Amino acid sequence: TQLLEQSPQFLSIQEGENLTVYCNSSSVFSSLQWYRQEPGEGPVLLVTVVTGGEVKKLKRLTFQFGDARKDSSLHITAAQPGDTGLYLCAGPGGSSNTGKLIFGQGTTLQVKP
Amino acid sequence: NAGVMQNPRHLVRRRGQEARLRCSPMKGHSHVYWYRQLPEEGLKFMVYLQKENIIDESGMPKERFSAEFPKEGPSILRIQQVVRGDSAAYFCASSPPREFIYGYTFGSGTRLTVV
Repeated sequence: TQLLEQSPQFLSIQEGENLTVYCNSSSVFSSLQWYRQEPGEGPVLLVTVVTGGEVKKLKRLTFQFGDARKDSSLHITAAQPGDTGLYLCAGPGGSSNTGKLIFGQGTTLQVKP
Repeated sequence: NAGVMQNPRHLVRRRGQEARLRCSPMKGHSHVYWYRQLPEEGLKFMVYLQKENIIDESGMPKERFSAEFPKEGPSILRIQQVVRGDSAAYFCASSPPREFIYGYTFGSGTRLTVV
């Protein structure tokens, strides 16, 4: 069974601090995605990483896909209150044609002003 | 270009009633996925549909739950004889054909409360 484990589950930091969220699995994924979800809304896709070792930057957010395609990380530089939310990693589950995504449990980030 | 539209946003049902949740995918997306989010449990896959076809329903409970995506109109997730444990946020997502590995577009969800 493919599983994605995220750590930490909860993170509360002050504005301006840096943080890293991890997404790990014992299985290889063809791609991994990161979503951000705000209360009362659906997840919004931030990025998809496809190639092992790939690094993608989205303003203050840096996403990395592990060389073996079993893990990924999200690093936020100089966090702001607007970064507060639930961060989810996800990857294709089962056969590549099923359309099914496996989601991690999520990391709840709170950035205090 | 409207995103994925779900309605209603909030739905309250008494135990034993039926709940119907609707989802209109993004324009040009022919693949629809339903997920359920329970507190402390994350997003769980329920079903994957294309027009008039159920492709993967491995995450659907065996009883009381059904889904369809007709040739015309929205996709419908139907829960018969609801119980308190069905209370959750139900999200619909869509993607273009064969591009789900690059990510979904999610709707805002329907929050079902069973009283």
